[in-house]
This record gives sequence, structure tokens and C-alpha cells, in this order.
Amino acid sequence: GENVEQHPSTLSVQEGDSAVIKCTYSDSASNYFPWYKQELGKRPQLIIDIRSNVGEKKDQRIAVTLNKTAKHFSLHITETQPEDSAVYFCAALFGNEKLTFGTGTRLTIIP
Amino acid sequence: DVKVTQSSRYLVKRTGEKVFLECVQDMDHENMFWYRQDPGLGLRLIYFSYDVKMKEKGDIPEGYSVSREKKERFSLILESASTNQTSMYLCASKMGGETQYFGPGTRLLVL
Repeated sequence: GENVEQHPSTLSVQEGDSAVIKCTYSDSASNYFPWYKQELGKRPQLIIDIRSNVGEKKDQRIAVTLNKTAKHFSLHITETQPEDSAVYFCAALFGNEKLTFGTGTRLTIIP
Repeated sequence: DVKVTQSSRYLVKRTGEKVFLECVQDMDHENMFWYRQDPGLGLRLIYFSYDVKMKEKGDIPEGYSVSREKKERFSLILESASTNQTSMYLCASKMGGETQYFGPGTRLLVL
């Protein structure tokens, strides 16, 4: 079945440094890859997404890269700030309706 | 602005009780989803619905059922609650495109 693996499960970085979270997916037909951020006690919210016809997308300090051949995609956060501390989930769209999520990465920014 | 609401933020139920979790969205979205979120396991899909009175099993449907009598409302039913159903339950909705919006979640404790 569809599978999304996410690494690492926890990540601590010094404020100002970069953070990278990686995901791999199983179905080569997947064509949409969103990233969600979930702050403590709050709902997951979409922060960035990428479609299979592009290799990279950037939005201020956040970027996502996609390697369709290797079936992996990554989230990059530069110049990290305390408010970046959260759990991040990657996901891949299988078929037209169903997102399969990774198991999440707890990111902690150390002041 | 998309709004997805859930009937309760916290619920405490006893083993064997029938439990109803309600989700309402106000954006005329076709697709609605129920997930459960557990530490280390990410977001796992229980059921989803792509139209009124339509439902599809997700990855972990055992012990759950759903109802979608109106487009804006998607209910998750635990016919006989068990302690292993203690979890955070998240509802989500989307149109035919990919961006998915989450509700605030219901934290259910089954004693």
C-alpha cells in the first residue's frame, strides 16, 4: 500500500541555523507533496507544497525540494527562529483524494 | 477563510459507550476525512468521504464507522468505545484540489 517515511523523528537546531527534514514515498504516481506544521495544542496547517512538475519551491525561509526519480522530498528551513518549533508532517497524495502522512518530526529551536 | 469545526475539544467516555464525533465545514468541500493522531505514528486515516452518503475505508477503519448525510457534516462513530481508541481525532476537508484543511481536533479519553 501507500507509504511515506519521514526522518528524523526529532531534531534540535541552534537558533539561526538551518533545519532539514526528509521524506520518501512508495508510489511513483504521486504528484502532490504538502508539508504541514502543527504547533503545540493546535491543528496542522499547510506551510508549503510542491507538485511533481517542479523540482523546488521556496517561500521566504522555507523551501521544499523534490526528486521524483529517487521518490524523496525534503523541507528546508533557513535562519531558524523560536517560533519554528513545532511538529512537521510531510504527506503525499495517492490517487485523487487521499493524503498519506509521514510520522512527523518534532523540531526544537534552541535559543 | 475555510472553517472546519469539531463538536468537542475534549471528551471522556467509558468502555463500551457509543461515541459520536461531529465535524462541520463551511466551504462546500466535497471531500472530508477523519484521522487519528498518536505519538510516533503520525496522522492515520480512518475513513473518508468524497460525496454525501459516500464513504471509503482508510488505513485503520476497524472499530469505527462514519456518516455523511449532509455535505457539510461528517460524523465519526465509535460503536463500542475501547481504551485503545483513546487518541486525538482530527477532521479535515478539501475540494477536488489538494489543499486540505484541518479542524481543531477532539482529544478522546476512554476509561
